[in-house]
This record gives sequence, structure tokens and C-alpha cells, in this order.
Amino acid sequence: EPEVTQTPSHQVTQMGQEVILRCVPISNHLYFYWYRQILGQKVEFLVSFYNNEISEKSEIFDDQFSVERPDGSNFTLKIRSTKLEDSAMYFCASTAQGSHEQFFGPGTRLTVL
Amino acid sequence: QQQVKQSPQSLIVQKGGISIINCAYENTAFDYFPWYQQFPGKGPALLIAIRPDVSEKKEGRFTISFNKSAKQFSLHIMDSQPGDSATYFCAARSNAGNMLTFGGGTRLMVKP
Repeated sequence: EPEVTQTPSHQVTQMGQEVILRCVPISNHLYFYWYRQILGQKVEFLVSFYNNEISEKSEIFDDQFSVERPDGSNFTLKIRSTKLEDSAMYFCASTAQGSHEQFFGPGTRLTVL
Repeated sequence: QQQVKQSPQSLIVQKGGISIINCAYENTAFDYFPWYQQFPGKGPALLIAIRPDVSEKKEGRFTISFNKSAKQFSLHIMDSQPGDSATYFCAARSNAGNMLTFGGGTRLMVKP
């Protein structure tokens, strides 16, 4: 069964450093998303991406964040200068054209020290 | 207005019992209501979803009940099993986009 994959599974970084989280969505999907989940809290929407541009973003997704689809398979989230409060589990998700269902990846645990 | 409120935060049920988790929303633009199941260290996985034009949807042991006038929906897990022990999130999607707004989650423990 096709699935969303994410790398790395765990990223540890120093405050102020840049990180890039990588996702490979399901191959025929056209809508891509990033969500985050701070430990013990609910899942929060960050951004959605369609047709090579951002279609929606939340207040959390400020100028420190960016997304890119550098090739036909990868979808990345970049945090330019990490803060302690960026420590969370980051989930990538994707959706097929004409579907509502968002398929989530296993997540990347980001720890900012 | 964008919030989805979920209760209870945690739930303990005996094996074979019925687990009930409730959610409420305010935004009348929400038009799709999925429930996700999340095991520790894993991403959320879609369990069952409903559109507001129906009042109930059943898939196996899982049933969503939807009350449009009250702006509430609930998940019922019949014959709960220890393998159902997980965190459950309700969510809602606006007809204006694709972002999901999640409830706070319910940690379910089913005791053998």
C-alpha cells in the first residue's frame, strides 16, 4: 500500500540553525500539507501546497518557514532559524485529486536545543 | 470560530464495552469531519469520516453520529478491544480550503 514517507525520523539542532524536513508524498497525489504536533498537544495545520504554490497557511507559518517541491517526488519544509518552541513532531500529508482524505506520514521529531 | 472542542481528554473502557468520544464545532463552513487514530510514535491515520448531509456513518465497529443543528459529532467504538488503545482526534475541514482543524485528542485505554 502506498504511503507518505518522511526523513529524518528525528532531527536535533541548535537554536538559530536552519533545518530542512523532507517528505515523499504518495506518488499520484497533488495536494501536500505540513502539520505539527507539540508533545502532548493537538495536531496543528501549518501550510498546504498545490500546483507549486502555497494555497493556505496558518498564523504559525511565519517568515521563518518555507516549503518547496524541488522535484517530482519530494516536498520539503525549511525552518530558517529554529527556536526552542519549534520543537515538535512535524507531519507531512498528501491528498489525491478529488479526494478529501489526507494521508499522514510517520513524522519527524524536531528537537531544538 | 475555527476551534474544534473534543471530550473527554482520556477514557478508560473495559474490553467489549462502548467507547464514546464527542466533538463540537462553531464554524458552519466546516463540511467534512474525519476521525483519526494515532498510535505512539506514528502519524494520524484516517479511521472514518462523515459529511454533514448524513446523520450517521458506520464502518465495522466504528460509527460516527452527526448532529448538524447542534454542531456536534461523536465517535462510537463498539466492542472495544485492547488494540483500540490509542489517541483519537476528531477534525473538521472548511469548504473554503483543505486545512484540517483538529480537536485536542482523546487518549483511549481499553482494559483486557
